[in-house]
Amino acid sequence: RKEVEQDPGPFNVPEGATVAFNCTYSNSASQSFFWYRQDCRKEPKLLMSVYSSGNEDGRFTAQLNRASQYISLLIRDSKLSDSATYLCVVNTNTGNQFYFGTGTSLTVIP
Amino acid sequence: DAGITQSPRHKVTETGTPVTLRCHQTENHRYMYWYRQDPGHGLRLIHYSYGVKDTDKGEVSDGYSVSRSKTEDFLLTLESATSSQTSVYFCAISHSERELFFGEGSRLTVL
Repeated sequence: RKEVEQDPGPFNVPEGATVAFNCTYSNSASQSFFWYRQDCRKEPKLLMSVYSSGNEDGRFTAQLNRASQYISLLIRDSKLSDSATYLCVVNTNTGNQFYFGTGTSLTVIP
Repeated sequence: DAGITQSPRHKVTETGTPVTLRCHQTENHRYMYWYRQDPGHGLRLIHYSYGVKDTDKGEVSDGYSVSRSKTEDFLLTLESATSSQTSVYFCAISHSERELFFGEGSRLTVL
């Protein structure tokens, strides 16, 4: 079983739409959680960390559900510039290991 | 942006030749990682380092070796490149249980 699982999509949404991505992780001892964004042929870049209480950064909201072992990312009022692949990342803190989902592809359509 | 540079950024080589990729950081972070990214597989850990001369294997370490003689440099070596090692290689650094910062990637083609 993979450490982190994501729906690969693709998600094709119109501008202004709200879109949500989910990710599940298998190791209940995982401690740190992140969403990264990766543009085509570029390196992944940190979008936001995910905290137990949930956190928001502008149009982006991240949630963590430890009981069900899933993480979510909500994007409101989608922009064309949001088109990218979104990676769910989990850190087990044992040896500072990071585990990646395969990514969810988002295309925002005019 | 975190100070990470990878070199070379692009390389084409032939099967059986040795290849070394270099990752250099200016952040003095303890942890350094080498990942490869392939369609359908996402990012997979090759090797990582938790200090000078301290390294360990990741999930896809066969055919790869690493060295870290200084805090700032982490080298990935393919002793005898194979076509299955054609990939995009990313170096990343972390300051301990915090987020990863990635280099721009090295695109390797093995013919």
